[in-house]
Amino acid sequence: AQTVTQSQPEMSVQEAETVTLSCTYDTSENNYYLFWYKQPPSRQMILVIRQEAYKQQNATENRFSVNFQKAAKSFSLKISDSQLGDTAMYFCAFMFPRTGGTSYGKLTFGQGTILTVHP
Amino acid sequence: KAGVTQTPRYLIKTRGQQVTLSCSPISGHRSVSWYQQTPGQGLQFLFEYFSETQRNKGNFPGRFSGRQFSNSRSEMNVSTLELGDSALYLCASSLNTRGFGYGYTFGSGTRLTVV
Repeated sequence: AQTVTQSQPEMSVQEAETVTLSCTYDTSENNYYLFWYKQPPSRQMILVIRQEAYKQQNATENRFSVNFQKAAKSFSLKISDSQLGDTAMYFCAFMFPRTGGTSYGKLTFGQGTILTVHP
Repeated sequence: KAGVTQTPRYLIKTRGQQVTLSCSPISGHRSVSWYQQTPGQGLQFLFEYFSETQRNKGNFPGRFSGRQFSNSRSEMNVSTLELGDSALYLCASSLNTRGFGYGYTFGSGTRLTVV
């Protein structure tokens, strides 16, 4: 079974600075998807960025980028120019593609990292 | 475009009762998944539905059940509530036309408190 580990329970950063959140995962599969979700106090999980394992290029979405190291099974999130609105719980998540069986529609989440952006 | 809508937002129930939570996915989304979120266990997968069929189920007791209707709306039911069922229940939907690469869009959840 695949597992996702986020080793940083809490992080803090000053506004406008850069912060990196860590995530490692364990799987024996070669093809899969990785995601970072953000959950602010409003509770709604918001997709921040996604990465397809077969793509070597690191995904980027505006101020958010990932460092995907497939061999090391590492998927870190870098937030540049941090803003107060980035304060939230961040979850790393793993999903198999559409292969059937017990993998359908199942996101496996890490335990989350609480990020606080200070003014 | 409306997002994933979950109702109700909050619920308080007594041990032993049953509860039904509702989820309306984004229009056109046919896959709906449910998750339980607690401080201790984090986010855990409950089940996934596609075209009214349950395709996957997480490791939860039989008291947890769900269904999906022809319009893709989904409900989950918890019978004989226990204190440990207190949690945030999240529903998510996906277009699911070419696999799950685009991820899931989540609703704001239903906060269930069992007393």
